[in-house]
Amino acid sequence: EVQLVESGGGLVQPGRSLRLSCAASGFTFENYAMHWVRQAPGRGLEWVSGISSNSNSRAYVDSVKARFTISRDNAKNSLYLQMNSLRPEDTALYYCAKGPYFHNSGYLDSWGQGTLVTVSS
Amino acid sequence: EIVMTQSPATLSVSPGERATLSCRASQSISTNLAWYQQKPGQAPRLLIYGASTRATGIPARFSGSGSGTEFTLAISSLQSEDSAVYYCQQYNNWPPFTFGQGTKVEIK
Repeated sequence: EVQLVESGGGLVQPGRSLRLSCAASGFTFENYAMHWVRQAPGRGLEWVSGISSNSNSRAYVDSVKARFTISRDNAKNSLYLQMNSLRPEDTALYYCAKGPYFHNSGYLDSWGQGTLVTVSS
Repeated sequence: EIVMTQSPATLSVSPGERATLSCRASQSISTNLAWYQQKPGQAPRLLIYGASTRATGIPARFSGSGSGTEFTLAISSLQSEDSAVYYCQQYNNWPPFTFGQGTKVEIK
């Protein structure tokens, strides 16, 4: 059974940094692309970033480009999101999600339960 | 960026009846469309991919159709556990992948 467990969220002041982690199990992590998707309180889903299985391809939504960096450690079955220069509008529940292929296109076939990031002074 | 528009915003259906949800893309996305179900306090769950293929473990009462710019998710014989918000997502033109704003299905 696929399991994705996010961690690292919390309350942070605007302009500060936070690093999210996602621990994966139940599948061969190194074979699949991974993504981060966020959901602001009471709002819909927004794709944030995706990374291919070998880290060669990374993509971001425009609103986080140059501030967020996605990475992965296949030896540790882990996905990360380094978030810098955080803004109040980054406040959301951040989900880790698995893609169906090695490349980072496609749908999202498994999701974690999310970690909450709150950006406020 | 491809804009996904879902309608209606809220759908109220009696148990046992059929629910039909719509999703429109701002440009053609072939059949590169997925549907997700999100219940309160839970993560989204993949229902449909490729516009019409049910994901593993999804009951047959869920069906997807459409191609190009117009897509439909149908729930035949609605059950109480189907009360949720449903999102469509395109993965044809990216980045970014884009979601619709969601349709809330309520049980009458």
